[in-house]
Amino acid sequence: ETGVTQTPRHLVMGMTNKKSLKCEQHLGHNAMYWYKQSAKKPLELMFVYNFKEQTENNSVPSRFSPECPNSSHLFLHLHTLQPEDSALYLCASSQGSRGYEQYFGPGTRLTVT
Amino acid sequence: AQSVTQLDSQVPVFEEAPVELRCNYSSSVSVYLFWYVQYPNQGLQLLLKYLSGSTLVKGINGFEAEFNKSQTSFHLRKPSVHISDTAEYFCAVSANGGSQGNLIFGKGTKLSVKP
Repeated sequence: ETGVTQTPRHLVMGMTNKKSLKCEQHLGHNAMYWYKQSAKKPLELMFVYNFKEQTENNSVPSRFSPECPNSSHLFLHLHTLQPEDSALYLCASSQGSRGYEQYFGPGTRLTVT
Repeated sequence: AQSVTQLDSQVPVFEEAPVELRCNYSSSVSVYLFWYVQYPNQGLQLLLKYLSGSTLVKGINGFEAEFNKSQTSFHLRKPSVHISDTAEYFCAVSANGGSQGNLIFGKGTKLSVKP
């Protein structure tokens, strides 16, 4: 595997389910990000991790819970989501001093029913 | 606070025609500027970036952009587009000088290249 991978690519879940999104980067980077991409809205930065430590949480509801066990893996745990949470969730990584040059995964298309 | 405006949500163009995708930003401090491209069913890919120096920046796939500080613009151009350029293009500005990775994105412009 190369670059940034995300699994699953598609996920349909009910509002009472619990699921997790997984991201893995094979680039040796030390920063990882979660973004939410909704139709007709700008990309929304959700969380930032640098060297496994969370450095940014953009007022994301607690039903989204990130986990970064090491610099290569990032998870987004989901529980009791709302239909408006349906979106494309993108993971990205970067090398610390060049945080603007982010490498994105293909995303997970999430549908909440 | 920084913000980015992409004036056109959709731009249709014929193959081999030139194209310009517009981007304006607002910021009270110096910024870094970027264009990312998203092909269907893929994540975003960095197309080009302006950090400092020459205001004309060249990127991948024949794209270029010009930083205009007085007009706070960073328009993306290509002299002759191909069908394969059909994608969504995002302009972005960095906060905190870029090293923190706090990119602010515009809403995107969908470029549709027709034969």
